[in-house]
Amino acid sequence: DTAVSQTPKYLVTQMGNDKSIKCEQNLGHDTMYWYKQDSKKFLKIMFSYNNKELIINETVPNRFSPKSPDKAHLNLHINSLELGDSAVYFCASSRGSSGLTDTQYFGPGTRLTVL
Amino acid sequence: QKEVEQDPGPLSVPEGAIVSLNCTYSNSAFQYFMWYRQYSRKGPELLMYTYSSGNKEDGRFTAQVDKSSKYISLFIRDSQPSDSATYLCAMSYGGSNYKLTFGKGTLLTVNP
Repeated sequence: DTAVSQTPKYLVTQMGNDKSIKCEQNLGHDTMYWYKQDSKKFLKIMFSYNNKELIINETVPNRFSPKSPDKAHLNLHINSLELGDSAVYFCASSRGSSGLTDTQYFGPGTRLTVL
Repeated sequence: QKEVEQDPGPLSVPEGAIVSLNCTYSNSAFQYFMWYRQYSRKGPELLMYTYSSGNKEDGRFTAQVDKSSKYISLFIRDSQPSDSATYLCAMSYGGSNYKLTFGKGTLLTVNP
């Protein structure tokens, strides 16, 4: 069973379109994250939710809107896609407990290409 | 200066070599230090997790943290072709702040 899953795996779309990426975790974790990995492999956090509450919101254009319908799901909606949005988007989850062992588990990634 | 600096490589070594991967950081508020391994077209997976200065060993992997120098290292002994991947260092403030700050990653190739 996949611990953190994302759909779709690949997404090719035109500039200006709106698209969504879905993430689900079956680990029973309380915290979920969205990361963006650019073409140079730099991995940067975008958002984090803890028990459906937004706790991390980095400097991300407001065309990006995360939504967490429940603890096990965190979706990412992107409006008016731009060329610079092309990247691999990773979802991750963790127990959300403070302390030493809050390991983040990553999904397989969604490769977004904007033409 | 970026918060976390990591030489992107690429690094190519023969099988059996000892590999040394390093990161430096500027923010002394970082408390927890991690190394993730990322195979091509896969998500990162946690390799090692350390808190205090010193060494932590797990099989062929040793993580080293020197907080006074703001420098962390990952050593891989007896490297194998299956170790070929991108290695990312990551750091967090700890407590209730779950944000991870990553280095750019070092691409390692171990040649048989």
